[in-house]
Amino acid sequence: DQQVKQNSPSLSVQEGRISILNCDYTNSMFDYFLWYKKYPAEGPTFLISISSIKDKNEDGRFTVFLNKSAKHLSLHIVPSQPGDSAVYFCAASAKLRTGTASKLTFGTGTRLQVTL
Amino acid sequence: DAGVIQSPRHEVTEMGQEVTLRCKPISGHDYLFWYRQTMMRGLELLIYFNNNVPIDDSGMPEDRFSAKMPNASFSTLKIQPSEPRDSAVYFCASSPGRNEQFFGPGTRLTVL
Repeated sequence: DQQVKQNSPSLSVQEGRISILNCDYTNSMFDYFLWYKKYPAEGPTFLISISSIKDKNEDGRFTVFLNKSAKHLSLHIVPSQPGDSAVYFCAASAKLRTGTASKLTFGTGTRLQVTL
Repeated sequence: DAGVIQSPRHEVTEMGQEVTLRCKPISGHDYLFWYRQTMMRGLELLIYFNNNVPIDDSGMPEDRFSAKMPNASFSTLKIQPSEPRDSAVYFCASSPGRNEQFFGPGTRLTVL
């Protein structure tokens, strides 16, 4: 049972335009969400996160939106750059308590290609 | 800091052989995670440790898989005997006790 779903396996966007990557989850216990970026032959790298007490978090060109009622989050990249071409993974966790780490449940990823 | 270190980066072996993957977490991180990435299932958590103690191994596929963390700076994931369906990229990640995890470059395992 896939608790975190990324239904678009790939996305192509022109340089300078907005990239929107989507993610849906089913587990109501998830209260923290992360986006990771992965280049070929490298491990995933942390990009941005959001707690369930917020509905938006922004970091430079990257913004994550969370809609708890719809169990949906999205990553916006504005403006998109060729270097953003990578696979993006959505991940979720159910945090136990402050100062601890809990396991992440990942989606299957969306391959973003930013074209010139 | 060198980040999470994994070895080997590539491993090709024959069915039935024992395979050992190694991981050195970031110094000071007391959580260590092992993941497997396949095309079909994406990134799956196999097992994770806190202060060298296994906390959740529910993702370990079967008894052929075992993981150890003898000290804070080293962990192994062993597959014995290996099967072609074990072919995947195996990632190790560490965390200082918050949600963000820091991944190593992965080990690409091919079992013939």
